[in-house]
Amino acid sequence: DAKTTQPTSMDCAEGRAANLPCNHSTISGNEYVYWYRQIHSQGPQYIIHGLKNNETNEMASLIITEDRKSSTLILPHATLRDTAVYYCIVRVAGNTPLVFGKGTRLSVIA
Amino acid sequence: DTGVSQDPRHKITKRGQNVTFRCDPISEHNRLYWYRQTLGQGPEFLTYFQNEAQLEKSRLLSDRFSAERPKGSFSTLEIQRTEQGDSAMYLCASSQPGTSGYNEQFFGPGTRLTVL
Repeated sequence: DAKTTQPTSMDCAEGRAANLPCNHSTISGNEYVYWYRQIHSQGPQYIIHGLKNNETNEMASLIITEDRKSSTLILPHATLRDTAVYYCIVRVAGNTPLVFGKGTRLSVIA
Repeated sequence: DTGVSQDPRHKITKRGQNVTFRCDPISEHNRLYWYRQTLGQGPEFLTYFQNEAQLEKSRLLSDRFSAERPKGSFSTLEIQRTEQGDSAMYLCASSQPGTSGYNEQFFGPGTRLTVL
């Protein structure tokens, strides 16, 4: 699985968009980008995934650069409940175990 | 609530004792995963099952650890002769069967183990 690099922490004002970057410069052509988040004292929660096209669901949008070496997870209107650790994971498709890094700790501030 | 459940939520034990954790996956999810998470780190994979078959074990799963899923439904994770380094959150996840594509893993709330 390709290695990912994420900032350790970020702050975002409530109601504003939160943009969480992830670098994955060694990504292979068959590897997807997955995002999970973990709210304090809970298990991780799936957010979104994509291969090369931008993706959007009810939780977030995923923007992948044309060269696929980086991506951004966008929470369009962050709320206090979005305060969590966000993990960017790069791996091939399928239902094999996930490999988590340290993620980005997002703090949404009122 | 039909999510993944884990029992107990918290366990405090003395070094050298054996402990067992239980995970009940979402009904009809044929894959079940165990992860361990220490403070400040992301979850680390331990082992996973497809139905009752244990498909993979990580190097983190020493011979003091054993996991079972006898009927392809719930799973247990046992740690024998616990050590202080075993103190962590133990997370269970499950996912649906699928012939292609990605099926998200649904995580339980975890069991927090403290070894004194």
